[in-house]
Amino acid sequence: EVQLVESGGGLVKPGGSLRLSCAASGFTFSNYNMNWVRQAPGKGLEWVSSISNSGSYIYYTDSVKGRFTISRDNTKNSLYVQMNSLRAEDTAVYYCARDRVGLEFDYWGQGTLVTVSS
Amino acid sequence: SSELTQDPAVSVALGQTVRITCQGDSLGNYYASWYQQKPGQAPVLVIYGKNHRPSGIPDRFSGSRSGNTASLTITGAQAEDEADYYCNSRDSSGNQVLFGGGTKLTVL
Repeated sequence: EVQLVESGGGLVKPGGSLRLSCAASGFTFSNYNMNWVRQAPGKGLEWVSSISNSGSYIYYTDSVKGRFTISRDNTKNSLYVQMNSLRAEDTAVYYCARDRVGLEFDYWGQGTLVTVSS
Repeated sequence: SSELTQDPAVSVALGQTVRITCQGDSLGNYYASWYQQKPGQAPVLVIYGKNHRPSGIPDRFSGSRSGNTASLTITGAQAEDEADYYCNSRDSSGNQVLFGGGTKLTVL
């Protein structure tokens, strides 16, 4: 059974940092591109970042470029995002999502809430 | 444009057919995927590619595309289909992901 379990969310002050993790199981992690998608309270889905299966190709939405860094460790079946210089508008539930192929997100974690507030 | 546009809300009578649309320039080149999200839950992929359903998705869900508009059709809507529906696709560059703003489906 495919499982994605996010962790690392919490309350952080503006300008602070947080590292989210996503533990994957039930599939060959190194075969799949992975993504972070977020959802602000009461709002729609917003793609944050993608990383290819080998980690060679990385993309970000414009609003997080230079502040967020996506990475993965295929030996640990884990996906990460390091979030720096956090802003109030980064407050959201952050989901990791597997890319079936072609940006079709076939499995999602349950999400972890990040709250940026003083 | 670098947007996918969806109607904010749509309603359908129980057992009837409803179409949810997603408009965007990139849809002329790329297929949309569709996701169902119920309150407090993670999104679920319901349609991908030309018109493919993941395992476990009922066949009342179908997808299509015409020009720059992708559509999700639910034929014979059920009460459990009441949810938010999102489309996604690539942007014009092909490297970034776009999500539509979502459509809240109410089953009457």
